[in-house]
Amino acid sequence: GAVVSQHPSRVICKSGTSVKIECRSLDFQATTMFWYRQFPKQSLMLMATSNEGSKATYEQGVEKDKFLINHASLTLSTLTVTSAHPEDSSFYICSATGEHEKLFFGSGTQLSVL
Amino acid sequence: KQEVTQIPAALSVPEGENLVLNCSFTDSAIYNLQWFRQDPGKGLTSLLLIQSSQREQTSGRLNASLDKSSGRSTLYIAASQPGDSATYLCAVSSDGSEKLVFGKGTKLTVNP
Repeated sequence: GAVVSQHPSRVICKSGTSVKIECRSLDFQATTMFWYRQFPKQSLMLMATSNEGSKATYEQGVEKDKFLINHASLTLSTLTVTSAHPEDSSFYICSATGEHEKLFFGSGTQLSVL
Repeated sequence: KQEVTQIPAALSVPEGENLVLNCSFTDSAIYNLQWFRQDPGKGLTSLLLIQSSQREQTSGRLNASLDKSSGRSTLYIAASQPGDSATYLCAVSSDGSEKLVFGKGTKLTVNP
């Protein structure tokens, strides 16, 4: 089956630094990728939708200047958390879909900001 | 705004028991509903997808039902096994896109 690879699986950083998370579709062309965030004991919440070659669409309340999303190719989308703060500590997970219209999820990234 | 609630938040059962996980949603105008499994450190795996016109879907020991008018879905797991231990998520799509609204999940532990 289709595989979506997400890296890193865990990252610890200092407050004020930027962190980049990669999401790759390994065996299909991902025309659309989604980025979700999950705080402890909370639901997965959609942050943004990205289509290859165009700007991401952000959900209400998500700062686009803080969470930079790049979907420059059909197999790679990146989420950069800029100037991370402790309140950004969360579980981030991507999902991808292509022509098959099925949705596949990455394994997630646990971000801890000290 | 669509909200999805899952009950219970956690469930612990002995191996072999049949069990039911519940999911409710506030806006019945959904396109489809999915049940996912989430294992620690791993991504989500889609278990069953029910279209709004369907009442149930079955896959092996899993059976998911949908009562759209009442805003409810159940996931029935027969003859539970320790390998079924995971967090089960319910998610709805309101417009047929892959934009999903998730519940908080039910953490299932099946004890040998």
